[in-house]
Amino acid sequence: AQKVTQAQTEISVVEKEDVTLDCVYETRDTTYYLFWYKQPPSGELVFLIRRNSFDEQNEISGRYSWNFQKSTSSFNFTITASQVVDSAVYFCALSEKPGAGSYQLTFGKGTKLSVIP
Amino acid sequence: DTGVSQDPRHKITKRGQNVTFRCDPISEHNRLYWYRQTLGQGPEFLTYFQNEAQLEKSRLLSDRFSAERPKGSFSTLEIQRTEQGDSAMYLCASSREDLTDTQYFGPGTRLTVL
Repeated sequence: AQKVTQAQTEISVVEKEDVTLDCVYETRDTTYYLFWYKQPPSGELVFLIRRNSFDEQNEISGRYSWNFQKSTSSFNFTITASQVVDSAVYFCALSEKPGAGSYQLTFGKGTKLSVIP
Repeated sequence: DTGVSQDPRHKITKRGQNVTFRCDPISEHNRLYWYRQTLGQGPEFLTYFQNEAQLEKSRLLSDRFSAERPKGSFSTLEIQRTEQGDSAMYLCASSREDLTDTQYFGPGTRLTVL
């Protein structure tokens, strides 16, 4: 069975600090996708990034960066110079691919990030 | 792109009543997913459509839950004889049929069963 673990339930940082959100996954598939979504207080899940299992290059997008390490089954997310607008719940997710070809997402429980001004 | 829309955004009902939620996917997306999210948890997959075909429904929580996508466009999720445990956020997502299958989510329908 596929599983995603986000061990940090809540994190608080002061504005401008860097913060890393951890994600560890379990899967028997050799081909899979990993995702990060942001859920602000309004409730809508916002897609941030997708990474496939064959691409271990780290990615940077503005203040966001992602570190994918297959050896440790981790896909961590770092926000540099955090801002109040970064306050949200962040979810890591793993795609499933049953025989029908459906990419069902398995989500972690999320990490609530609070950025204090 | 117009995003995924869901209606209603909030629904309050009494135990035992039936409720129906609607989801309109992004127009060029042929895959549509329903998830449920309870407080403090990540979304949990319920069912999936490719065009009008419901290809996965084993994760629907009970036979009180059903979903349709009759013309391959919008979808409805119905819960019959609601119970207090059905109170949750119901999320819809859509995606293109490609290798990456990135799912884009709607704002959700928050159901409260009294």
